[in-house]
Amino acid sequence: EAGVTQSPTHLIKTRGQQATLRCSPISGHTSVYWYQQALGLGLQFLLWYDEGEERNRGNFPPRFSGRQFPNYSSELNVNALELEDSALYLCASSPGQTFSGNTIYFGEGSWLTVV
Amino acid sequence: GDSVTQMEGPVTLSEEAFLTINCTYTATGYPSLFWYVQYPGEGLQLLLKATKADDKGSNKGFEATYRKETTSFHLEKGSVQVSDSAVYFCALDTGFQKLVFGTGTRLLVSP
Repeated sequence: EAGVTQSPTHLIKTRGQQATLRCSPISGHTSVYWYQQALGLGLQFLLWYDEGEERNRGNFPPRFSGRQFPNYSSELNVNALELEDSALYLCASSPGQTFSGNTIYFGEGSWLTVV
Repeated sequence: GDSVTQMEGPVTLSEEAFLTINCTYTATGYPSLFWYVQYPGEGLQLLLKATKADDKGSNKGFEATYRKETTSFHLEKGSVQVSDSAVYFCALDTGFQKLVFGTGTRLLVSP
């Protein structure tokens, strides 16, 4: 069974541009999560989507946004890129809401470099 | 707020040595606790988990016991291998659909 897949693996953008990252969850998983792993800042929760709706977001500015499609895949958009947005962006999925005991599974991430 | 504190790394061990990576947490409610591992160049993989007090999670020779009285979830392995070299993250989930991670502990195992 395929795991969580993310694309692109690496992306280089210029400050001020927009970046789009994509994620396909494990088959049968309806919840998708985005995390940012920036150097020196550890793993920070960004967004949670479930059944096509944004359900929760972390402490990030509105220029970080995304959506979940009817097939449960998701994309993360980062507008007006800043140098400090350079990070590994990890997508994760779970079969449902985690308070039901479901485990979150992570993809290998997309490296975003802003120059 | 909820938080996880891990011991600073790197932890450097020789092959077959005993490993302990300390993890303590602060949380409201009754969180589930996790250890994730990140091998070089890869994403996070779930190593083990425990969902209630006194539960022991185990996988690939690693163990961790959910200790509510000491708010701890220390990771242990009796005999490490070179292939265990990675970054280990302790995390908690209070049921609000987000994991709170520790800063990670790098483990380096030499032959």
